Amino acid sequence: GNSVTQMEGPVTLSEEAFLTINCTYTATGYPSLFWYVQYPGEGLQLLLKATKADDKGSNKGFEATYRKETTSFHLEKGSVQVSDSAVYFCALIPTQGGSEKLVFGKGTKLTVNP
Amino acid sequence: EAQVTQNPRYLITVTGKKLTVTCSQNMNHEYMSWYRQDPGLGLRQIYYSMNVEVTDKGDVPEGYKVSRKEKRNFPLILESPSPNQTSLYFCASSSWTQYGYTFGSGTRLTVV
Repeated sequence: GNSVTQMEGPVTLSEEAFLTINCTYTATGYPSLFWYVQYPGEGLQLLLKATKADDKGSNKGFEATYRKETTSFHLEKGSVQVSDSAVYFCALIPTQGGSEKLVFGKGTKLTVNP
Repeated sequence: EAQVTQNPRYLITVTGKKLTVTCSQNMNHEYMSWYRQDPGLGLRQIYYSMNVEVTDKGDVPEGYKVSRKEKRNFPLILESPSPNQTSLYFCASSSWTQYGYTFGSGTRLTVV
């Protein structure tokens, strides 16, 4: 079946540190891949997406590249800020059957200290 | 402003008392979906709809009902709520799911 595995948290970094949150997936065909962010007390916001292999999604200094060969979509940011503290979810939508459903990873909580 | 609006944001109710959580989107999206978020279990889909009068079960539909009589609205109905339905609920909509969903702000439901 379709699934997403992302690194367990929590992750604690100092401001201006480099961030990587690993995400790998299992799916048939070529799913679309997403990173969502959930700030405390809020809903999920789409952070970035990629719809085909080798696409790079980017937004607000965050980047992730769709790697078909390693079935990965790791989230990176070169210099995190305190305001980036949130829970990050990797997700996919499969292209074969059940294409309406987002399949989420468990989420990774990031805390950035000043 | 393009958005998905859920109401109420917070709700405390008693076991067995029917309730409805409303969801409305102003983006003319075809796809709408309900998710619940629980600690340790992540986000799970309850129901989804591909268009007016077209709905289908997600991963955890037991104890829930939905309807899609209008394109913009997708209410979630709990006919007889139980404590195991205490959760954070999100409604989401999309015009083309391959581009992702837009989520509402969530409804925190407590059933006592």
